[in-house]
Amino acid sequence: GAGVSQSPSNKVTEKGKDVELRCDPISGHTALYWYRQSLGQGLEFLIYFQGNSAPDKSGLPSDRFSAERTGGSVSTLTIQRTQQEDSAVYLCASSLDRTPTEQYFGPGTRLTVT
Amino acid sequence: AQRVTQPEKLLSVFKGAPVELKCNYSYSGSPELFWYVQYSRQRLQLLLRHISRESIKGFTADLNKGETSFHLKKPFAQEEDSAMYYCALSGRGGGSNYKLTFGKGTLLTVNP
Repeated sequence: GAGVSQSPSNKVTEKGKDVELRCDPISGHTALYWYRQSLGQGLEFLIYFQGNSAPDKSGLPSDRFSAERTGGSVSTLTIQRTQQEDSAVYLCASSLDRTPTEQYFGPGTRLTVT
Repeated sequence: AQRVTQPEKLLSVFKGAPVELKCNYSYSGSPELFWYVQYSRQRLQLLLRHISRESIKGFTADLNKGETSFHLKKPFAQEEDSAMYYCALSGRGGGSNYKLTFGKGTLLTVNP
């Protein structure tokens, strides 16, 4: 079956604009995760969904970041009023249940804020 | 708090040489440890996890609770092993056993 997909693959935006990043998890995976991969920072956890609920939003760096998941499937990460420090690769992962025994990662969205 | 430290940003070896990528962790409970790998222009993928005690692509990693380490080893490196390697940790049981805490990664280059 298809793996985790993300769109767009690349996004260039001007500082101050809003962006939406999309993640399609593997069908049947109830858990979904967003991470951010920055140069020199490795991967940072942003948010976790179990079904449509987000019990842990502790990794979101500011209130400009939000995410939702609908129908227990597609998730959207929204960044409002983007700043240059938001430039990074945003990775989505999904797993069969809430244990992280194996998280399957998408190809990522490279966000560049100019 | 949980933390993963990979002390080497870059590691370069020659083909056929042994390789060891270091990983140390800090976690107050009983952790699950993983190694993820990202080859050039490919997505991040699981290489191995300590609980399964497997050898994948010739790589092994042993969890040493006394030294809080989970070093990745391979006796004879191949050029196709060149990639970015991330060590990761999650808790077992408890409230936060879903999210992975990653180290900053080690870029391994295997020279011909």
